[in-house]
Amino acid sequence: AQSVAQPEDQVNVAEGNPLTVKCTYSVSGNPYLFWYVQYPNRGLQFLLKYITGDNLVKGSYGFEAEFNKSQTSFHLKKPSALVSDSALYFCAVRDSADTGFQKLVFGTGTRLLVSP
Amino acid sequence: DAGVTQSPTHLIKTRGQQVTLRCSPISGHKSVSWYQQVLGQGPQFIFQYYEKEERGRGNFPDRFSARQFPNYSSELNVNALLLGDSALYLCASSGRAQGAASSPLHFGNGTRLTVT
Repeated sequence: AQSVAQPEDQVNVAEGNPLTVKCTYSVSGNPYLFWYVQYPNRGLQFLLKYITGDNLVKGSYGFEAEFNKSQTSFHLKKPSALVSDSALYFCAVRDSADTGFQKLVFGTGTRLLVSP
Repeated sequence: DAGVTQSPTHLIKTRGQQVTLRCSPISGHKSVSWYQQVLGQGPQFIFQYYEKEERGRGNFPDRFSARQFPNYSSELNVNALLLGDSALYLCASSGRAQGAASSPLHFGNGTRLTVT
């Protein structure tokens, strides 16, 4: 069974500084990995995904993520944080072997707080 | 283009009652999934429907049921409501056929259900 761990409940960073939100995963096959962001009282917005290929994936709003197979990690990064990046971030995984089935397994979320 | 739309946005029910939540996918999307997000947790998979057929079901009791209509909209029904059913219910759609596990899900803003 798939699982995702987001070890930090909250990450605090000053505006302009780089940010990292951590994610590790477990799947039996090859992983499809996703990052979503959730603003208060809203649904989840897709940021980026890793399917195959280059380990560094670029996504929306200047975010990127680095896939590391040996460490089973998929950390979200941004070179320079904005106050407007403050939100709840979810990492999710899907097993590529689950053809015909689009279930996503989510982590518990990490709250990012960017201070001015 | 309109995104995934859900109705109602908020709902208050009493224990033992029944509730129906509605979802319209992005135009052209044929796959609809439902997720439950309890406060402070990540979304949990409930159902996936594709072309009006159930493609997957999460670890939820039989009190939860769903269906998809010919226009690809969907309803989630919950019977005999419990206090623990209080959550944000998210609907997501995907534009790809079954087997496209790499496709991201597009989420609506959810229905906030409160059971008293």
